[in-house]
Amino acid sequence: GQQVMQIPQYQHVQEGEDFTTYCNSSTTLSNIQWYKQRPGGHPVFLIQLVKSGEVKKQKRLTFQFGEAKKNSSLHITATQTTDVGTYFCAGPAGGANSKLTFGKGITLSVRP
Amino acid sequence: DTAVSQTPKYLVTQMGNDKSIKCEQNLGHDTMYWYKQDSKKFLKIMFSYNNKELIINETVPNRFSPKSPDKAHLNLHINSLELGDSAVYFCASSPPLPMAGELFFGEGSRLTVL
Repeated sequence: GQQVMQIPQYQHVQEGEDFTTYCNSSTTLSNIQWYKQRPGGHPVFLIQLVKSGEVKKQKRLTFQFGEAKKNSSLHITATQTTDVGTYFCAGPAGGANSKLTFGKGITLSVRP
Repeated sequence: DTAVSQTPKYLVTQMGNDKSIKCEQNLGHDTMYWYKQDSKKFLKIMFSYNNKELIINETVPNRFSPKSPDKAHLNLHINSLELGDSAVYFCASSPPLPMAGELFFGEGSRLTVL
């Protein structure tokens, strides 16, 4: 079945450093979503990307969908302690109308 | 107003007991889900209901039985609890397929089986 992969599972950065993480799918995705889960919290939707090569920005966060629609990236500029949490990507497993499959997430810690 | 609410938030119980978690959403969505998040934070879908009908039923032990009395509610009943059932269970809802968009998650119900 379709897999959505995020490696590594943990990353530690110094506050102010940039951070980039990637999400790779074994199959072409109709769309990809990103979620953030703060420690002790629940996943919260950040963004959805649909078009090949699409780039979207939310303040210091930049999301990109690959040209082949099989990978995506999240880049955070000048990390802050408020960025700590686990970032998940998710894509529909069996086509546009199917269930979301989540990657294992990357947990970001930021040293002040 | 909380969009997706779950009760209880915490549940500590002994092996072999039966427990239920309730979920309600006030977003008017047709589709609701149960996800299980283990200690490694892996989010795995368990069930999905669309307008009270079961549409996704992953490989989950039949000790887990979802029930949707109406499209705003999706409850999860677990029989004969085992140690491995300890996890955080998230309820979520989304707009109906084929408009499927973002998932709105509840705050989670942390189940600890002793």
